[in-house]
Amino acid sequence: EKVMTQSPDTLSVSPGERATLSCRASQNIGNSLAWYQQKPGQAPRLLIYGASSRATGIPARFSGSGFGTEFTLIISSLQSEDFAVYYCLQYNSWPSLTFGGGTKVEIK
Amino acid sequence: EVQLLESGGGLVQPGGSLRLSCVVSGFTFNSYAMYWVRQTPGKGLEWVSSITGTGNNGYYADSVKGRFTISRDNSKNTLYLEMTGLRVEDTAIYFCGKRAGGSYIENWLDFWGQGTPVTVSA
Repeated sequence: EKVMTQSPDTLSVSPGERATLSCRASQNIGNSLAWYQQKPGQAPRLLIYGASSRATGIPARFSGSGFGTEFTLIISSLQSEDFAVYYCLQYNSWPSLTFGGGTKVEIK
Repeated sequence: EVQLLESGGGLVQPGGSLRLSCVVSGFTFNSYAMYWVRQTPGKGLEWVSSITGTGNNGYYADSVKGRFTISRDNSKNTLYLEMTGLRVEDTAIYFCGKRAGGSYIENWLDFWGQGTPVTVSA
């Protein structure tokens, strides 16, 4: 069973600053990694798939990188609407999926 | 515009049953596998079940295997999750989601419903 570990649990960032979120897989998943943003009371929204491809309509300030077991989501200059919880998802082993525990990005 | 709309959640006693529905629009339903994912404050997001586009094959997390059944009616653009033998730990918001593509490398969810809450309590 693949385990996805996100760090940190909470990230305090000032608007305009850069945020770096990490996701680690317990096994090699290649580039089968997606990132989602979730705001209270809403469904998760797809940001990144294939570890580094931005989904339709996602601003360029969101970028993903990594391969194998180590992955990173960078938000280059935080806007007010970016304060949310971010989840990674590994989808290397159809039909199952494994989500990370989430990182909350809060206003410093 | 792709839309997914869940319904059927509610309050049920332990051991009870519920049937969740997810009506979709905006894409060719029978061309895509679909998922159920649940979310709890304590355990975060958890994959529950997957089903192929034809509906011929359903798959389950160990935590629900033998109690939950996924199905779909492609003529009605509707996905279902039949839940029996419900436990307190099944309490969660249940989301349906669309698989992004038709190949086995396009397994991420690209669209989600808004979720339906299920509470299992005496």
